Amino acid sequence: EVQLVESGGGLVQPGGSLRLSCAASGFTFSSYWMHWVRQTPGKGLVWVSRISSDVSTTNYAGSVKGRFTISRDNARNTLFLQMNSLRAEDTAVYYCVTGSIVGAGGYWGQGALVTVSS
Amino acid sequence: EIVLTQSPATLSLSPGERAALSCRASRSVSSFLAWYQQKPGQAPRLLIYDASNRASGIPARFSGSGSGTDFTLTISSLEPEDFAVYYCQQRSDWPYTFGQGTKLEIK
Repeated sequence: EVQLVESGGGLVQPGGSLRLSCAASGFTFSSYWMHWVRQTPGKGLVWVSRISSDVSTTNYAGSVKGRFTISRDNARNTLFLQMNSLRAEDTAVYYCVTGSIVGAGGYWGQGALVTVSS
Repeated sequence: EIVLTQSPATLSLSPGERAALSCRASRSVSSFLAWYQQKPGQAPRLLIYDASNRASGIPARFSGSGSGTDFTLTISSLEPEDFAVYYCQQRSDWPYTFGQGTKLEIK
């Protein structure tokens, strides 16, 4: 059974940093593209970032480019999202997502809440 | 980026009725369009990928159609558990984008 478990969310002040992790199991992690998607009540669902299975390709939404970094450790079956220079508008539930079809989210984690507030 | 516009924003129907949800893209996404269902407090669930392919475990009452810029998700006969929010999403071009959602509510 595919499992994606996010951790690392919490409350952070504007300008601060946070690192999300996603522990994956139940599939061959090193063969799959991995993604982060966030959701807010106001802006809906936004596909934040993606990383290829071999780490050669990473992409970011314009709203986070230059501030967020996606990475992965294929030996530890873990996906990361380093978030720097956080803003109030980054407040959201962040989901770890994957699937056999690249770019179609067949599997989602339970989500990690990130709140950016002073 | 490609903008996806869903209509209607809210659809009020009764169990047993047929539902048709629309998604229109600002430019062609070929067939690279997916549909998701989301219930309160849950992550989205993939229903349809590449316009018309049902994801694993999805009941046959869910079907998708369309290509290019116009797409439809059809639920042939609504069950009580189908009342939720539905999103379309394109993977034709980065950044991938979602529509704003259609809320399917019980009439």
